[in-house]
Amino acid sequence: RKEVEQDPGPFNVPEGATVAFNCTYSNSASQSFFWYRQDCRKEPKLLMSVYSSGNEDGRFTAQLNRASQYISLLIRDSKLSDSATYLCVVRQAAGNKLTFGGGTRVLVKP
Amino acid sequence: GAVVSQHPSRVICKSGTSVKIECRSLDFQATTMFWYRQFPKQSLMLMATSNEGSKATYEQGVEKDKFLINHASLTLSTLTVTSAHPEDSSFYICSGRPPTVYNEQFFGPGTRLTVL
Repeated sequence: RKEVEQDPGPFNVPEGATVAFNCTYSNSASQSFFWYRQDCRKEPKLLMSVYSSGNEDGRFTAQLNRASQYISLLIRDSKLSDSATYLCVVRQAAGNKLTFGGGTRVLVKP
Repeated sequence: GAVVSQHPSRVICKSGTSVKIECRSLDFQATTMFWYRQFPKQSLMLMATSNEGSKATYEQGVEKDKFLINHASLTLSTLTVTSAHPEDSSFYICSGRPPTVYNEQFFGPGTRLTVL
């Protein structure tokens, strides 16, 4: 079983619609959680950290469910520029090692 | 945010040659840098953790004699792919973390290696 698993997609989303997807992690001792965005052939960039109480950044909302060991990302009012691969990233308790999920591809279409 | 650069951005080489990739933190000192590899349509896989002034820590399955890492200064880490073969063709990305930033790693733009 992979440490961090994601639905690869693609999620085809009409412009203006809402899309949500999850990520599951296997290590219950995982300490920190993030969503990164990666555009084609580019480096990943931090989209947002995920806090236990859930957090929102503009049109993006992230949730953490420790009991079920998953995190989620919701994008409201999707823009064409939201098209990208969204990487779920988990940091273990020890050290700074990050474990990346395989990514969920989102395609926003007019 | 903090800036990390990589050089070269793209390299094509013949099988059997060695390739050196540089990773620099431009506006912060990085005692620790990380090297990742990403194959097409796959996620980033951590190869090794590079520690300034000491030996790198390699992940399981990564050959330390093939992927030589040097972290001689607080702003520069290098990855040398020795005797490269076509299966080493990949996207290599480094990242660094400023000492005052706990939760985030800043990634370089990556180096696309193609071995013919």
